[in-house]
Amino acid sequence: EAGVTQFPSHSVIEKGQTVTLRCDPISGHDNLYWYRRVMGKEIKFLLHFVKESKQDESGMPNNRFLAERTGGTYSTLKVQPAELEDSGVYFCASSPPGVTDTQYFGPGTRLTVL
Amino acid sequence: SQQGEEDPQALSIQEGENATMNCSYKTSINNLQWYRQNSGRGLVHLILIRSNEREKHSGRLRVTLDTSKKSSSLLITASRAADTASYFCATDETYFQGAQKLVFGQGTRLTINP
Repeated sequence: EAGVTQFPSHSVIEKGQTVTLRCDPISGHDNLYWYRRVMGKEIKFLLHFVKESKQDESGMPNNRFLAERTGGTYSTLKVQPAELEDSGVYFCASSPPGVTDTQYFGPGTRLTVL
Repeated sequence: SQQGEEDPQALSIQEGENATMNCSYKTSINNLQWYRQNSGRGLVHLILIRSNEREKHSGRLRVTLDTSKKSSSLLITASRAADTASYFCATDETYFQGAQKLVFGQGTRLTINP
């Protein structure tokens, strides 16, 4: 069974540019989460989808971040415009329907904003 | 919100020795999990211990949980070079209709010297 995949694995952009990260959850997993780790700090929750619906986006830092999950399959996280403090590793995780305590993480996307 | 805090922040030991990492948290939990992140790789789930459990084993890993002290420890026995990684504890925070999001600490960077 394929795990959670994320693309790209690494992105380097200039401040002010736009970047879109993609996450493909494990097939059949209704729950999809985004987390990020900034500057060696703790990994922080960003938001949670159940299918295509956002359950909680309280962790989204500001309105420069937009997450979507059209069709309830893969998800994208767009940062526009990117700022220096957005640099870090963005993780996606998924879990089966009705299960939220055990989340399967992808390899992460390392974002570097110059 | 609650937060897992790992101690120490960095640990360097010789191969074959045991490594112990601690985690403290602030509020009541349903479960506590430990994850590993190898350099440049994704988060790997190691073990989950529920609030009504005190100790759990998985291979060379031993996790304890003391809910009265709001603390947990991860012991890796007979360490190997491949155990070099960052280790994170994560507690659950229940928010919407029983859904849980994970709250991570800053992690312990473990280095195993050959």
